Amino acid sequence: SAVISQKPSRDICQRGTSLTIQCQVDSQVTMMFWYRQQPGQSLTLIATANQGSEATYESGFVIDKFPISRPNLTFSTLTVSNMSPEDSSIYLCSVDLYGSYEQYFGPGTRLTVT
Amino acid sequence: GNSVTQMEGPVTLSEEAFLTINCTYTATGYPSLFWYVQYPGEGLQLLLKATKADDKGSNKGFEATYRKETTSFHLEKGSVQVSDSAVYFCALNYGGATNKLIFGTGTLLAVQP
Repeated sequence: SAVISQKPSRDICQRGTSLTIQCQVDSQVTMMFWYRQQPGQSLTLIATANQGSEATYESGFVIDKFPISRPNLTFSTLTVSNMSPEDSSIYLCSVDLYGSYEQYFGPGTRLTVT
Repeated sequence: GNSVTQMEGPVTLSEEAFLTINCTYTATGYPSLFWYVQYPGEGLQLLLKATKADDKGSNKGFEATYRKETTSFHLEKGSVQVSDSAVYFCALNYGGATNKLIFGTGTLLAVQP
C-alpha cells in the first residue's frame, strides 16, 4: 500500500476566498483523482489528474472553479476558488496505486465556508 | 448510465448479529466492484473487491460475491462487532480510459453492545 497525506486536514474559510489543498503520495503513481463528499452524501469525482497533461473534469465541475496541478508523479493540488457556503464539503484525493482500478484514498480535507 | 444503488440506512444491529447490506448496480459490460468503509472521522478504506462474475471478495470477516445474473454485490458478515460501526460504500469502476469510481449513497451501520 501507500501513504497518502493531505494538507490541510480542515479549514474554515470566508466566502469569496480560495483554498489550495495538497495531496502527497509516498510512491510514484500515474493517476490521481479528486473527489468531493458533501455533508451526509456520497463521493463525487471532480477530476482526474495525470502528470504531464491537463486534468480531466467531470460534468458539473469546471477548471475555473477547481483548478488542479500535477507537477510530478507524487503530488497534486486542488484549489477551490471563489468559495461559497455550498462548497463546504470533504475533499479527498485518491490514487490508482497498481493500475488495477482500485483506488486508495487520502484522509480528506474538511472545508467549511462561512 | 452506470450507477450503484445501496439499501438505505441506518442499519442498527446488536453485537454478533448477521449483517447484510444490499448493493445492486447498473452498467454496460463488466466493471470491477468494491466495498469501501469510512469509520467516524476518517477517510475511505478499501474493504474488499471483485473483478469478475462469481468472484468473492473477502476481508476482516466481510464477504461479497459478484453476481452478474442479479447485478448485485451484497456485503455480508456473520457476526458484527461494535468496532464495525461505520458508513459502507459500494462502488464500481470500469478502469482503463474511464478509470472512475462510481459510488452508491452509503449505508450507515450502527452496532450496539
